[in-house]
Amino acid sequence: QSALTQLASVSGSPGQSTTIACTGTSSDVGIYNLVSWYQQYPGKAPKLMIYEVSKRPSGVSNRFSGSKSGNTASLTISGLQAEDEANYYCCSYAGSSTLLFGGGTKLTVL
Amino acid sequence: QVQLQESGPGLVKPSQTLSLTCTVSGGSISSGSYYWGWIRQPAGKGLEWIGRIYPSGSTNYNPSLKSRVTISVDTSKNQLSLKLTSVTAADTAMYYCAREGFCGGDCFNWFDPWGQGTLVTVSS
Repeated sequence: QSALTQLASVSGSPGQSTTIACTGTSSDVGIYNLVSWYQQYPGKAPKLMIYEVSKRPSGVSNRFSGSKSGNTASLTISGLQAEDEANYYCCSYAGSSTLLFGGGTKLTVL
Repeated sequence: QVQLQESGPGLVKPSQTLSLTCTVSGGSISSGSYYWGWIRQPAGKGLEWIGRIYPSGSTNYNPSLKSRVTISVDTSKNQLSLKLTSVTAADTAMYYCAREGFCGGDCFNWFDPWGQGTLVTVSS
């Protein structure tokens, strides 16, 4: 099992939208709708932002949305704000009761 | 509201066993359909799933760590524990515990909340 693939960094300007991609395989992201996304500030614990590809937990801004196409899941953040600058990690069920995380994407708000 | 707190030695010698405890407060570790998991993160790197346990004692482990990992639960103390044997410098990381959603069968769908994490350094 290899980690899910994420770009190391993305950036966007305040007010714009940005998308963070997470690429897996037909054995994980492609076959299971069990992708979750986590936001992590430096020195802090991760926070759940999206689960089951596109569901948003209570309390998470509706500026955050998730989707999936084939073996790639995506997290889209609309109306970028300075507070969105953080690291984002995807996670997918990978069969046989195992999980895979992505390597993380650092979002910079310009 | 459920909170998790990791604890344990911050420094472990190579070849020894890393032992950590996660204490759950604000709710019973046995209530609801939840698993409880361990995840680690080397400095500046991504997250790695270590394994999970159900209050009944049922466990699943990352295949890459399975030979060295044991996760256990003490429902009377509302705690779960992690043991990792034969550690090397590669096991140096922040270790997190988290509650894991379970939607039945092989459906594990989220981690929430997370503990604040505990840093473990493997060094002589």
